[in-house]
Amino acid sequence: DADVTQTPRNRITKTGKRIMLECSQTKGHDRMYWYRQDPGLGLRLIYYSFDVKDINKGEISDGYSVSRQAQAKFSLSLESAIPNQTALYFCATSDPRRGGEKLFFGSGTQLSVL
Amino acid sequence: GENVEQHPSTLSVQEGDSAVIKCTYSDSASNYFPWYKQELGKGPQLIIDIRSNVGEKKDQRIAVTLNKTAKHFSLHITETQPEDSAVYFCAASPNFGNEKLTFGTGTRLTIIP
Repeated sequence: DADVTQTPRNRITKTGKRIMLECSQTKGHDRMYWYRQDPGLGLRLIYYSFDVKDINKGEISDGYSVSRQAQAKFSLSLESAIPNQTALYFCATSDPRRGGEKLFFGSGTQLSVL
Repeated sequence: GENVEQHPSTLSVQEGDSAVIKCTYSDSASNYFPWYKQELGKGPQLIIDIRSNVGEKKDQRIAVTLNKTAKHFSLHITETQPEDSAVYFCAASPNFGNEKLTFGTGTRLTIIP
């Protein structure tokens, strides 16, 4: 969905490096989410934000941090990347006032930590 | 917490036949059950959802059924077409919201022409 844009699409980094994944949206949604997808494990929630001043941990927040710079921007950081953080990362948005619980996902960032 | 099991992990069907994907959930408080379709290289996309006060919902060739007593729900795709090939995820949530949404592990559906 071009309305939710993730950068970069692919990233290879080394163990111990700091890395930031970025997400921007033009849908005007207040709620934004970061998910991680691993083969055979489905999608798991890392962090979510209901507005600029509201940040909440998800199921697997350890080793990650987030920043909600504006309504349209939500970034995910790995302070010191480790190999088991190799995964496909998705940003998503929702707006209960307009789309109900429907999640709108970006195209994902494939991260490899060597 | 909620646990969602999804079967099968892979499914191949002839074009035109029907496909059924099944999920079970553990938390009896779950009341919202969406299904997402993920095509290659893309993010998941909602295709249908159902709430606990409804037993079945249809949208053209896709339908979802819910059995609250048995705590399972299923996705049915009829008259399958090549564009139905994708990975499908079920999910369950206890509060109609996404912050407690638990996803299944996915089913890779392949439609054989």
